[in-house]
Parts: sequence; C-alpha cells; structure tokens
Amino acid sequence: KQEVTQIPAALSVPEGENLVLNCSFTDSAIYNLQWFRQDPGKGLTSLLLIQSSQREQTSGRLNASLDKSSGRSTLYIAASQPGDSATYLCAVQYTGGFKTIFGAGTRLFVKA
Amino acid sequence: DVKVTQSSRYLVKRTGEKVFLECVQDMDHENMFWYRQDPGLGLRLIYFSYDVKMKEKGDIPEGYSVSREKKERFSLILESASTNQTSMYLCASSLIFLRTSGGAGVVETQYFGPGTRLLVL
Repeated sequence: KQEVTQIPAALSVPEGENLVLNCSFTDSAIYNLQWFRQDPGKGLTSLLLIQSSQREQTSGRLNASLDKSSGRSTLYIAASQPGDSATYLCAVQYTGGFKTIFGAGTRLFVKA
Repeated sequence: DVKVTQSSRYLVKRTGEKVFLECVQDMDHENMFWYRQDPGLGLRLIYFSYDVKMKEKGDIPEGYSVSREKKERFSLILESASTNQTSMYLCASSLIFLRTSGGAGVVETQYFGPGTRLLVL
C-alpha cells in the first residue's frame, strides 16, 4: 500500500532556529514529491516540487531533498521566522496514475 | 497567477440534504481534483477529472458524485449528506505536462482553492 508519513506531527521552535521536517514514503516508483504549506483554515500553497530524477530543490530559505532509495524527503527551513508558522504537507505522485498521496502534515510553531 | 475559487468558505447543512460544492479555475487546466481533509488523516482524494465529462474515482468516492460540464468548473455533490461527511473540502487543478508511452500522465504542481468547511448536523 502506498503511504506517506510525516514526523513529527507538531513542532515548536524559537525564532531563528534552523529546522528539518521529515517525510517518508513507501514504494520508490514515484514521479515527483512536493512540499506544500497550509495556513489555518486555508488551502494549500506549493513550496517546492522535486522530480524523481532530482536530488534537491531550493527556494529562498527552503531546501527540499529527495532520496528515493530510502523513501525519504526532508524540508530544511533556515533561520525560521514566526511567519513560517503553518502546517507543512508532503505529497508524492506515484507512477501508473494521476493519484497524489498526501502525508498528514507537520504543524510548525515558530515562537518570537 | 492561477486562481482556484470555491463557492463557499463555510457551509452548514442538515442530514439528508443534497449538497453542491463548486470549484472554478481560470487557467485552462485539464485536471481538477476534489479532496477532503480530516485531522490526522491528511488529504484524501474523492474524485478527479482529466477532461470535460471525464472522471475517475479516488480513494473515498462513496457518498459523493461529481460533474464536469465545462473545463473550468468541477462540482462535488453529496447526494444525501451525513454527519461523517463533516470535513474540510479542497479543490485543486493542474496541467498535464508530460505523457508517458504507457498513457499515464505526469501531473504538474496542483493549485488549491481556499477550501470549504462543511458541517453536517
């Protein structure tokens, strides 16, 4: 069964700290992996998309890595800010169809 | 900028009512999706559509139907609302940018609407 797991479910850090969010997935036959941000009561905003042939993607203070062989991805956030407080979701698109499997998310709190 | 809009942000309905959730995208995207999001369960796909009048069941289609009469609009219908359908409903759209020789498409990033929080009493 194709599953995406995110640990931890919630994380609280002081402002300025560098942090890593983890995502693991079963089945390495993927097309891409994507990280989204969701603010409370809102829809999802795409942060980074990594194709299966890529190892990492960077956007500003965010860096996402992909290791297909181990079924893992990490989202690194540098110099965290209170505005980074949100839920971060990992999503994997597997080969063979249009389906995207989402993790349950990690709720991040950055304290000023 | 891609814009995906949903007809309501909040909705309260009674058990047994027929409920329509509307989603509209303005970027001529081929694919549209309906998800529900529940605490601890992440997003689960209800239905998706890859073209006008074309639809595929997702993981949890029971109790739902969909309609795509125009490319820009994808409707989710709860035939007879039940309390276990209380949830956050999210619509998304995307382009197909690559088709494999096997016929399966690679979906580009999905753009999400703001969500509809539905409460069924």
